[in-house]
Amino acid sequence: DGGITQSPKYLFRKEGQNVTLSCEQNLNHDAMYWYRQDPGQGLRLIYYSQIVNDFQKGDIAEGYSVSREKKESFPLTVTSAQKNPTAFYLCASSGRTGGVQAFFGQGTRLTVV
Amino acid sequence: RKEVEQDPGPFNVPEGATVAFNCTYSNSASQSFFWYRQDCRKEPKLLMSVYSSGNEDGRFTAQLNRASQYISLLIRDSKLSDSATYLCVVTEAGGGADGLTFGKGTHLIIQP
Repeated sequence: DGGITQSPKYLFRKEGQNVTLSCEQNLNHDAMYWYRQDPGQGLRLIYYSQIVNDFQKGDIAEGYSVSREKKESFPLTVTSAQKNPTAFYLCASSGRTGGVQAFFGQGTRLTVV
Repeated sequence: RKEVEQDPGPFNVPEGATVAFNCTYSNSASQSFFWYRQDCRKEPKLLMSVYSSGNEDGRFTAQLNRASQYISLLIRDSKLSDSATYLCVVTEAGGGADGLTFGKGTHLIIQP
């Protein structure tokens, strides 16, 4: 079955540590996105990518980095520069940027310990 | 800056009642509109697309008003299982600086 997969589901990070969240899709979608959601809050865009080897900053890109070396994959690294990384991270993909629905992965819940 | 606004609620509604909420958008060039449902601690899932002619799926009806730049979602005969957060999503043709634009969601609580 086609879909979008995030891993891990739960992740614990120590202070000062970089961690990478995985996002893989087999929907042949061009566009991929990363969002952060805090408790009781809406989705905030971190980064998005419309095509391989290209990505754009969203509203809250500071302290995060991404890569898009393959169409299927859009990993997100939460760096030590992100001072408040505890949140629910959602990856999404869509057939093209604008015009079609987005599909979401199940999310990664990141906690700083 | 493109904005999508929703009343955050919560809307507390008795089981069996009809409830409706709106979502306004600022970009008149917006092309596609969707309602997503998000359960607590889960990912958003597509509920329905919103077409210019309206869209009905069982107890759910979505409408688009381009002149006033809002979309609406109506839920009839509400069930306890309808309790969730409903997100409005707006997209523009050809993408843009932020691709999809999400509203912050409307929290709906159906009470027995």
